[in-house]
Amino acid sequence: GDSVTQMEGPVTLSEEAFLTINCTYTATGYPSLFWYVQYPGEGLQLLLKATKADDKGSNKGFEATYRKETTSFHLEKGSVQVSDSAVYFCALSDQDNFNKFYFGSGTKLNVKP
Amino acid sequence: DVKVTQSSRYLVKRTGEKVFLECVQDMDHENMFWYRQDPGLGLRLIYFSYDVKMKEKGDIPEGYSVSREKKERFSLILESASTNQTSMYLCASSPTHMTVNTEAFFGQGTRLTVV
Repeated sequence: GDSVTQMEGPVTLSEEAFLTINCTYTATGYPSLFWYVQYPGEGLQLLLKATKADDKGSNKGFEATYRKETTSFHLEKGSVQVSDSAVYFCALSDQDNFNKFYFGSGTKLNVKP
Repeated sequence: DVKVTQSSRYLVKRTGEKVFLECVQDMDHENMFWYRQDPGLGLRLIYFSYDVKMKEKGDIPEGYSVSREKKERFSLILESASTNQTSMYLCASSPTHMTVNTEAFFGQGTRLTVV
């Protein structure tokens, strides 16, 4: 079945450090891939997405590339800010299964000034 | 602005009560989802609906049921609330599987405490 695995947190970085959060997936078909962000006390918001192999999603300085050969969708940012502190979820949707969404366990990011 | 609205941000219920969590979306989406979010476990799918009156069990349906009588509304029902159902509940909607390049839109969440 479909599933998403992402790195355990929390991740603690200093401001302006480089961020990588690893995400790998298992899917029977050709899923779309997403990163969602959850700020304290809020629901999930879409951060970026990619719908096919080699696509790069980007938003607010964050990037992730859909790698079919390694079944990965790692999230990166070159210089994090305190305001990036949040929980990040990797997800896939399976068009062969009614666009059902599957989420990773989430990675909490703490950025210190 | 697209919107998914959950009826309550915080709820406190007693063990054994029947609890209704309501979710409404204004985007004419076919798909609606209920997840629960627990620390270290991420989001786990409880139930999924792909059309009015259609539903599918997710990964953890035990102790829950759902109702989708109208396209815009998806209700989660805890038949007899128990303390292990204390959690954050998130509702989401997305377009039909016939559409590519989609995303799921989330409500603000309902934090339910069962005492």
